[in-house]
Amino acid sequence: DQQVKQNSPSLSVQEGRISILNCDYTNSMFDYFLWYKKYPAEGPTFLISISSIKDKNEDGRFTVFLNKSAKHLSLHIVPSQPGDSAVYFCAASGKDSNYQLIWGAGTKLIIKP
Amino acid sequence: EAQVTQNPRYLITVTGKKLTVTCSQNMNHEYMSWYRQDPGLGLRQIYYSMNVEVTDKGDVPEGYKVSRKEKRNFPLILESPSPNQTSLYFCASSLSWQKASTDTQYFGPGTRLTVL
Repeated sequence: DQQVKQNSPSLSVQEGRISILNCDYTNSMFDYFLWYKKYPAEGPTFLISISSIKDKNEDGRFTVFLNKSAKHLSLHIVPSQPGDSAVYFCAASGKDSNYQLIWGAGTKLIIKP
Repeated sequence: EAQVTQNPRYLITVTGKKLTVTCSQNMNHEYMSWYRQDPGLGLRQIYYSMNVEVTDKGDVPEGYKVSRKEKRNFPLILESPSPNQTSLYFCASSLSWQKASTDTQYFGPGTRLTVL
């Protein structure tokens, strides 16, 4: 029973275009949502996070949108660059998980030149 | 250089042979955690530690042990490994459990374990 779901195992986007990665969750008690990025043979690295009291957070080319009523968040990357090719994990935390992160399965983003 | 190190990076072993995967961080972080990554399942937490001598079970603790005798080290012990523990393991650390749940955790490079 996955509380955090990333339904697209992979996504292919043209360089320079917008990449949109999606994440759905089932637990309305999650307080924070985070995105991590992972290159092959490396550990994940933190990208951006958002509190449940906000609906948008922006950091350079990366923006995360939170739609609490739909229990959905998305990560927008604009413009997409070749170095963005990686696996992106969505994660969430809250009181129910004892504030430990619950992770999605990941989406592999491929940026085509 | 601030980092989390894990050893070994790759390990092939046989069922029942005790093994330890070491994890060390040089950032004076209070919080440390172990995850396993399996295809289609993302990362699942095995154990975590909020500080020295304080450890707690994550989502999948069965078959694993940990200890936190000093701040920098958080070894993962498999007393009697089985094939279903074949996985990619990550150690992570953060300034505090609050930071880990809302912000940044720093991950090691991973240990790929195969149990035959």
